[in-house]
Amino acid sequence: GNSVTQMEGPVTLSEEAFLTINCTYTATGYPSLFWYVQYPGEGLQLLLKATKADDKGSNKGFEATYRKETTSFHLEKGSVQVSDSAVYFCALSDSGNTPLVFGKGTRLSVIA
Amino acid sequence: GAVVSQHPSWVICKSGTSVKIECRSLDFQATTMFWYRQFPKQSLMLMATSNEGSKATYEQGVEKDKFLINHASLTLSTLTVTSAHPEDSSFYICSARDRRNTGELFFGEGSRLTVL
Repeated sequence: GNSVTQMEGPVTLSEEAFLTINCTYTATGYPSLFWYVQYPGEGLQLLLKATKADDKGSNKGFEATYRKETTSFHLEKGSVQVSDSAVYFCALSDSGNTPLVFGKGTRLSVIA
Repeated sequence: GAVVSQHPSWVICKSGTSVKIECRSLDFQATTMFWYRQFPKQSLMLMATSNEGSKATYEQGVEKDKFLINHASLTLSTLTVTSAHPEDSSFYICSARDRRNTGELFFGEGSRLTVL
């Protein structure tokens, strides 16, 4: 079945540091890939997505590239801020009406 | 963007009572809604898939008589936790897919249930 593996946290960085959160997946076919963010006390919000190989999703300074050859979708940001502190979830969806399959989430704490 | 609203966002109840959580898509029609459960510091676990006008499909290990799901309209799905016990305390999140869209889900804010 489909699965998503994320690097385990928590991750603690200083403000303006470079961020990478690794995500790899296992899926049949060609899934769409997503990164969701959950700020403290809130629900999930879509951060970015990519629907086919070599697509790059980007939003709020975050980027992730759909790498079919390595089955990866690593999240990166060049300079994190305290406001980026949250839990980040990598997810995939086959297509149509299938639900998302989530990774376990990675908690990021950014300190000033 | 599309909005999904859950209510209540926070509920505390006594053991043995039933609690209903509503999930509404506010500006789109959702033929399918998904209910997830999130334990502290863990990922979201899919509980069931709710299809408008038909019975929900439950994931393995989820008791359908314990977690009643009703999807009566294209904009509303409800999850009822029956005879709740402390082990049912959790964060419940619904999501909905716009019937005109594929791939992206819109999530509610979540409902935190605490059973005393």
